Amino acid sequence: ETGVTQTPRHLVMGMTNKKSLKCEQHLGHNAMYWYKQSAKKPLELMFVYSLEERVENNSVPSRFSPECPNSSHLFLHLHTLQPEDSALYLCASSQAQGALAGVGTGELFFGEGSRLTVL
Amino acid sequence: DQQVKQNSPSLSVQEGRISILNCDYTNSMFDYFLWYKKYPAEGPTFLISISSIKDKNEDGRFTVFLNKSAKHLSLHIVPSQPGDSAVYFCAAGSTINTDKLIFGTGTRLQVFP
Repeated sequence: ETGVTQTPRHLVMGMTNKKSLKCEQHLGHNAMYWYKQSAKKPLELMFVYSLEERVENNSVPSRFSPECPNSSHLFLHLHTLQPEDSALYLCASSQAQGALAGVGTGELFFGEGSRLTVL
Repeated sequence: DQQVKQNSPSLSVQEGRISILNCDYTNSMFDYFLWYKKYPAEGPTFLISISSIKDKNEDGRFTVFLNKSAKHLSLHIVPSQPGDSAVYFCAAGSTINTDKLIFGTGTRLQVFP
């Protein structure tokens, strides 16, 4: 596989469930991101990992818990979510720390997203 | 406060004509701007970028213009093709804080025959 892959593509969960979203990148990048896309809202940056260290936590509620075991994998653990958390969750990767530093194009490579519905 | 704004949620253009997508920003610290394109059921893909030291960048049918004094950028697609139908996101960043790109809400472009 190439690029950035996310699983599952669709997830429906109750407010008391615990689930996880998985992201894997095959691009050799050293930075990974979680973004949230809600209807009619800008893409919201949630977490940034660079060299497997979290460098940004954009005021995300603790019911979202990221994990980056290595530079190729990123997880988003979900527990006791609210219906308003229903959204498309996008994983992205880039080379070098951050989206802009050292690359020249500022290019993020996105996965296809995981559509989450919280009942 | 929304730092990157795309005020037109949708745009409809005839095939062969020019599509112009607009984006405004408020943060004068932004010095790098990008456009992403998103098809349904896919993640956004990078399209074209521009640094604040330039006012124009061209790549094939796609040209991005930057007006720093107006804090405005635009993406021109000419000629437009039906395959260009997608949602286009404007994004801005700062080389001072390189971990964060701020995205607009997107503009849905429909190119009809």
